[in-house]
Amino acid sequence: ETGVTQSPTHLIKTRGQQVTLRCSSQSGHNTVSWYQQALGQGPQFIFQYYREEENGRGNFPPRFSGLQFPNYSSELNVNALELDDSALYLCASSLGSQGHYEQYFGPGTRLTVT
Amino acid sequence: SQQGEEDPQALSIQEGENATMNCSYKTSINNLQWYRQNSGRGLVHLILIRSNEREKHSGRLRVTLDTSKKSSSLLITASRAADTASYFCATDHSGNTPLVFGKGTRLSVIA
Repeated sequence: ETGVTQSPTHLIKTRGQQVTLRCSSQSGHNTVSWYQQALGQGPQFIFQYYREEENGRGNFPPRFSGLQFPNYSSELNVNALELDDSALYLCASSLGSQGHYEQYFGPGTRLTVT
Repeated sequence: SQQGEEDPQALSIQEGENATMNCSYKTSINNLQWYRQNSGRGLVHLILIRSNEREKHSGRLRVTLDTSKKSSSLLITASRAADTASYFCATDHSGNTPLVFGKGTRLSVIA
């Protein structure tokens, strides 16, 4: 078990609604990355926050947005939910923003959009 | 796409056998990491191998890297039922870009 926590564990929303997912990073980590994992696929990078600033973004539309707070916890917000947004959302914290750092993953939030 | 690809997609073996899974990628890397995921939960880091390394060991895990072939392999020796999980490779291509994950290999170890 890592020290990364995510809430909620499961969530069911209706198409068009908005959702906020939360992540608490491991102590001492200043970087949080968010991933979307569809069933049977690998995690797809959404964006990364380093010291409260967005530090890279994957191929996701602007309705996916985020925040990182001074304690390095983070939120992922998704507006105007679509059915294809149904997935496991994973956050991962690390000691730094570069790719040679090990990522510590939380258990994920399972989002279902109906 | 820079996405790594694992092979095979799924692997089923008997307890005690060795399991080998492969990862191929398209562009040069700084390092490659292997992760494990149990039943749709969070991923757990297994091992990191740098581009100037050819082999690394960690317990029953052995990872090799062949940068000329742009491929890596993960060997799990003397597998156990508890090794049943999905295994992903993740590549770091430039140091300032995020890790790129493959689609994973689903390993089933039958007791």
